[in-house]
Amino acid sequence: DIVMTQTPLSSPVTLGQPASISCRSSQSLVHSDGNIYLSWLQQRPGQPPRLLIYKISNRFSGVPDRFSGSGAGTDFTLKISRVEAEDVGVYYCMQLTQFPYTFGQGTKLEIK
Amino acid sequence: QVQLQESGPGLVKPSETLSLTCTLSGGSISGYYWSWIRQSAGKGLEWIGRIYSSGSTNYNPSLKSRVTMSVDTSKNQFSLKLSSVTAADTAVYYCARRAYFLGNWYFDLWGRGTLVTVSS
Repeated sequence: DIVMTQTPLSSPVTLGQPASISCRSSQSLVHSDGNIYLSWLQQRPGQPPRLLIYKISNRFSGVPDRFSGSGAGTDFTLKISRVEAEDVGVYYCMQLTQFPYTFGQGTKLEIK
Repeated sequence: QVQLQESGPGLVKPSETLSLTCTLSGGSISGYYWSWIRQSAGKGLEWIGRIYSSGSTNYNPSLKSRVTMSVDTSKNQFSLKLSSVTAADTAVYYCARRAYFLGNWYFDLWGRGTLVTVSS
């Protein structure tokens, strides 16, 4: 299985300040079709996960542009340019390149 | 509005079979892959497996011997059966849709989740 490792596991951030979460995969996420199927999910308290970013850097419909994704190979990053109160929750990276699909451990974003 | 809703018993006895159904409303189950994903405190998010609307399946090898998924397109439903459950199977179970659009794959639709507790 591909192991997804996120850092940090907890991120206290001041409102209006940026935040960054890293995700590293144990092996390449390049699919046989040449694409990298790496997604970022947000899970607010008491809610199911919600898609933020797909294929490394594509924002899903309705996701604010303060969220951005980047990366290549085995290293990926989710950035929030200016954290807002509604961004509190747990963020997960997820790979859909190889079975079984796997998730990072989650990074808890909280406000200082 | 397209929605997914999980349903099934919230309490299952050890060694018995967990059975859940996911119902899609506001859309069609045809042409998509449908997954079951669970979330427990101990193991985080775990992908259980998926089923295509035609009935073809892929399961997580760690659970494959105990998992069966099925689909009923006439009812816009798909189901999960997990046999021989133990306390380690206690989790919130989600159903989700894997969409495909212009060469992109992603889980764009999730149910609200249902807590299943394994206990005697």
